[in-house]
Amino acid sequence: RKEVEQDPGPFNVPEGATVAFNCTYSNSASQSFFWYRQDCRKEPKLLMSVYSSGNEDGRFTAQLNRASQYISLLIRDSKLSDSATYLCVVNIQQAGTALIFGKGTTLSVSS
Amino acid sequence: GAGVSQSPSNKVTEKGKDVELRCDPISGHTALYWYRQSLGQGLEFLIYFQGNSAPDKSGLPSDRFSAERTGGSVSTLTIQRTQQEDSAVYLCASSLSRMSSGYTFGSGTRLTVV
Repeated sequence: RKEVEQDPGPFNVPEGATVAFNCTYSNSASQSFFWYRQDCRKEPKLLMSVYSSGNEDGRFTAQLNRASQYISLLIRDSKLSDSATYLCVVNIQQAGTALIFGKGTTLSVSS
Repeated sequence: GAGVSQSPSNKVTEKGKDVELRCDPISGHTALYWYRQSLGQGLEFLIYFQGNSAPDKSGLPSDRFSAERTGGSVSTLTIQRTQQEDSAVYLCASSLSRMSSGYTFGSGTRLTVV
């Protein structure tokens, strides 16, 4: 079983739509969770951290369910500029462990 | 510098040759990471440096790969006797500490082995 699994998509949605991405992780010792965004042929950039209580940043809402080992990202009122690949990332806080990245979910927003 | 700097941005090399990739992290960041991303694939962890501690080399795919970090700053990733399957984008990231959420990535080195 892969450590971080995501539906690769692509998700094709019209502008203004609400879209949700899901991610599951296999290691129950995972402690920190993030969503990164990667544009085509660019480096990943941190979109937002994911907290147990859930958190919101403008049109973006992230939620964590530790019992189910499940993370979600909700994007409301999609913009053309939201088109990108969204990477689910976990950190297993043991000595020397780096962030573990999912393969990403591709979103395409069209006008 | 203001960001993580990687060089070269592109490298084409012949199979069997050695290559060196360079990463200059954000000043003051003690943690430095190397990842690689093959076409259409996710990020694959290679190696991690934290301060003066021994690096975590658990992600290096073979003994042809090595990396060092001199003076706690600049890092070089060396691939010996390159193979076609080594073709990928090699990404370097740095952060204030291992526990930091803020990994900042460089723009990567696109390596093509012909």
